[in-house]
Amino acid sequence: DIQLTQSPSFLSASVGDRVTITCRASQGISNYLAWYQQKPGKAPKLLIYAASTLQSGVPSRFSGSGSGTEFTLTISSLQPEDFATYYCQQLNIYPLTFGGGTKVEIK
Amino acid sequence: VQLVESGGGVVQPGRSLRLSCAASGFTFSSYGMHWVRQAPGKGLEWVAVISYDGGNEYYADSVRGRFTISRDNSKNTLYLQMNSLRGEDTAVYYCARDSIGAAPDLPPFDPWGQGTLVTVSS
Repeated sequence: DIQLTQSPSFLSASVGDRVTITCRASQGISNYLAWYQQKPGKAPKLLIYAASTLQSGVPSRFSGSGSGTEFTLTISSLQPEDFATYYCQQLNIYPLTFGGGTKVEIK
Repeated sequence: VQLVESGGGVVQPGRSLRLSCAASGFTFSSYGMHWVRQAPGKGLEWVAVISYDGGNEYYADSVRGRFTISRDNSKNTLYLQMNSLRGEDTAVYYCARDSIGAAPDLPPFDPWGQGTLVTVSS
């Protein structure tokens, strides 16, 4: 199975900060990676797919990059509504797997 | 587009439970569907997928042989039959749709349902 390791698992940041989350795959997955945002008590929401394609309706302050085994999610200017937990997911092969999550909290 | 799960509850270890996911607002029979679970305070775990026509299924190792995913396209409903339940199956179970129908690759999930809580406890 493909393991996804997210770092950091927790980060504290202020409104307006630039935030970067990393997701590393245990083997190459080309660009078959998605990012989701989850707020407490809610279902996850798709942000980015194919490593760097922004889902319709998602603000342009979110961006993704990477290929192979290393990927990043960047929030260019953190907004109050962005405080949440973020997960990466590999879509290269079954079983599909998620990273362990990165919780972004207010500093 | 909406997905609404039901069927969760408290069940004893070793017993069975069936979850349902009612779909509306899209052509259900054109999309692959998934179950994903989240144990309390933990991350997301993919559980199973079924193809648009029910012809193909894949499972996580943790549930293979105990859980069965199925669908009734005439009723726009997805199911998860869970047998031999264990404490570690306690989680919120979400159904989710492939974001694209008939995709050449494995598409991401969009949308997701609101989830239904399954608690396995004596």
